Amino acid sequence: DAGVIQSPRHEVTEMGQEVTLRCKPISGHNSLFWYRQTMMRGLELLIYFNNNVPIDDSGMPEDRFSAKMPNASFSTLKIQPSEPRDSAVYFCASSSDRLNTEAFFGQGTRLTVV
Amino acid sequence: AQSVTQLGSHVSVSEGALVLLRCNYSSSVPPYLFWYVQYPNQGLQLLLKYTSAATLVKGINGFEAEFKKSETSFHLTKPSAHMSDAAEYFCAVTRGDSSYKLIFGSGTRLLVRP
Repeated sequence: DAGVIQSPRHEVTEMGQEVTLRCKPISGHNSLFWYRQTMMRGLELLIYFNNNVPIDDSGMPEDRFSAKMPNASFSTLKIQPSEPRDSAVYFCASSSDRLNTEAFFGQGTRLTVV
Repeated sequence: AQSVTQLGSHVSVSEGALVLLRCNYSSSVPPYLFWYVQYPNQGLQLLLKYTSAATLVKGINGFEAEFKKSETSFHLTKPSAHMSDAAEYFCAVTRGDSSYKLIFGSGTRLLVRP
């Protein structure tokens, strides 16, 4: 398996533009996580899906952020409109439905909003 | 609610010296605990995990961690630091029940001096 695949690896956009980040989890994994990493706040869990259903979105910063998982092999994180403070590295991770299993991370998308 | 606290945002050791990175957890149910490592511009990679089988857990690259319930700790150690160990290390916890949500500590950056 190729692991968790995220695209793009880098994104530079202007303030106010819509940004869509994409994630392909490992095949067979039932749980998918979106995290945001910044120097100031560290690694934050934004949203957690299980079997394609959002279970916990309490970490989503505000209504400008939305996430979808239309099927087991694809998820998106959208920011509309984007702001400079959204600049961060966004990670997607997936895991199987076993309690003692770890999450596998993608390489991340580095987002810069100017 | 679960949480993890990592004491020391930065730890500096000499090459060949003992590495000790501290992690304390808070959980109302028996936890599963993980240590991840992040090298520059990369995603997180699992070092080791505690799943209630053995309190002393051995991981990759010579790292190990000991689960101490009485101290609610899961400190990461390595007898002899190598230059290649320089990275950021994250402790994480998930509940030992039906929740798969993974919560991370704030991270500790390890610097290895020659």
